Amino acid sequence: DAKTTQPPSMDCAEGRAANLPCNHSTISGNEYVYWYRQIHSQGPQYIIHGLKNNETNEMASLIITEDRKSSTLILPHATLRDTAVYYCIVSARMKTSYDKVIFGPGTSLSVIP
Amino acid sequence: DGGITQSPKYLFRKEGQNVTLSCEQNLNHDAMYWYRQDPGQGLRLIYYSQIVNDFQKGDIAEGYSVSREKKESFPLTVTSAQKNPTAFYLCASREQDFSNQPQHFGDGTRLSIL
Repeated sequence: DAKTTQPPSMDCAEGRAANLPCNHSTISGNEYVYWYRQIHSQGPQYIIHGLKNNETNEMASLIITEDRKSSTLILPHATLRDTAVYYCIVSARMKTSYDKVIFGPGTSLSVIP
Repeated sequence: DGGITQSPKYLFRKEGQNVTLSCEQNLNHDAMYWYRQDPGQGLRLIYYSQIVNDFQKGDIAEGYSVSREKKESFPLTVTSAQKNPTAFYLCASREQDFSNQPQHFGDGTRLSIL
């Protein structure tokens, strides 16, 4: 089972900020939050990741709550090319065994002209 | 440019036939992964390899086999024992399996049954 919960779909007007929520209430102290997106018939594209501090890069911002039980991916000015399925994943790095990186169904974001 | 190359993009399998999907990376990553994606679903792990000459079964390894003879290559064979092979197959790599760096994905191979 996925360790995260995301809404199945969302709409966003072109040019507005898209805020994609993710709940990960069972996250443990050494688990990172990762966001990927997948455009139809392509491989997932890495967007951003973080542990407990907010992060920003050229694609997006990641806001993680203080208790780390939820996070929000922000696309500041959504364009039509941002229409995709967005996956929120939690994963820890453990040297003794492989930690499952589970991709659930994600959120299907539609950016509307 | 560094990246992951999967080939072919589309593949058709006849009944009783084994087919091999290619995955090559020039990112100098130690860890490589194979996932299967069915329509409307997330990704499920088939096999992974933390280092050359080593690989481990994932959640749905039955009917599949892999090899890791070179660091840059991780081919997946879909055998005739896999009764429902029609799916989108994704290969990924990572600097090291135990690292906080993200996985990087290829553009996938879509396998269908004739």
